Amino acid sequence: GPKVLQIPSHQIIDMGQMVTLNCDPVSNHLYFYWYKQILGQQMEFLVNFYNGKVMEKSKLFKDQFSVERPDGSYFTLKIQPTALEDSAVYFCASSPQGNTLYFGEGSRLIVV
Amino acid sequence: GQGVEQPAKLMSVEGTFARVNCTYSTSGFNGLSWYQQREGQAPVFLSYVVLDGLKDSGHFSTFLSRSNGYSYLLLTELQIKDSASYLCAVRVGTNKVVFGTGTRLQVLP
Repeated sequence: GPKVLQIPSHQIIDMGQMVTLNCDPVSNHLYFYWYKQILGQQMEFLVNFYNGKVMEKSKLFKDQFSVERPDGSYFTLKIQPTALEDSAVYFCASSPQGNTLYFGEGSRLIVV
Repeated sequence: GQGVEQPAKLMSVEGTFARVNCTYSTSGFNGLSWYQQREGQAPVFLSYVVLDGLKDSGHFSTFLSRSNGYSYLLLTELQIKDSASYLCAVRVGTNKVVFGTGTRLQVLP
């Protein structure tokens, strides 16, 4: 099936530092999402895009979070500064029509 | 609020069936999807429904009742490899997709 690529797969970072997570969605998909999943817990919505523009952010999307699309292809999720509670797996997903989401393998972030 | 609820765990026996329930109470409804997620891996799409009734897709079938805010995923002829978490997700409006709490299915030999 369609492939969504996430980099890095794992990252360990000191509390207070900045981290940037990258996602390359399926090229012709219009919808794009970032989710946060703490181990064994619910997949929580952070933010979504339509046609490259931010459409909706959740309450989880703190001021320390920012999202960009640097060159019109891949997306980034930046956390600055990081906190211990930011430790989680961050999944991105894209969709052609908003019904079927294709997920990347996730970026496992550990804040120490 | 956007509530999508699922039982945390479910056990069934190889060769039989399992029904994973999902109830939702959301400010809008624009379709419901089911995903399979294995431990340490990404969710994988299984099925999407937007109209009431049963959608038979072989090993996986999906039922939806919009008036009751209820859906289930039915797995038949269970195999051990069906052991995984099953996530229900509701599309609210055109943008947001809200996931349920997930049900961990254990298939016993």
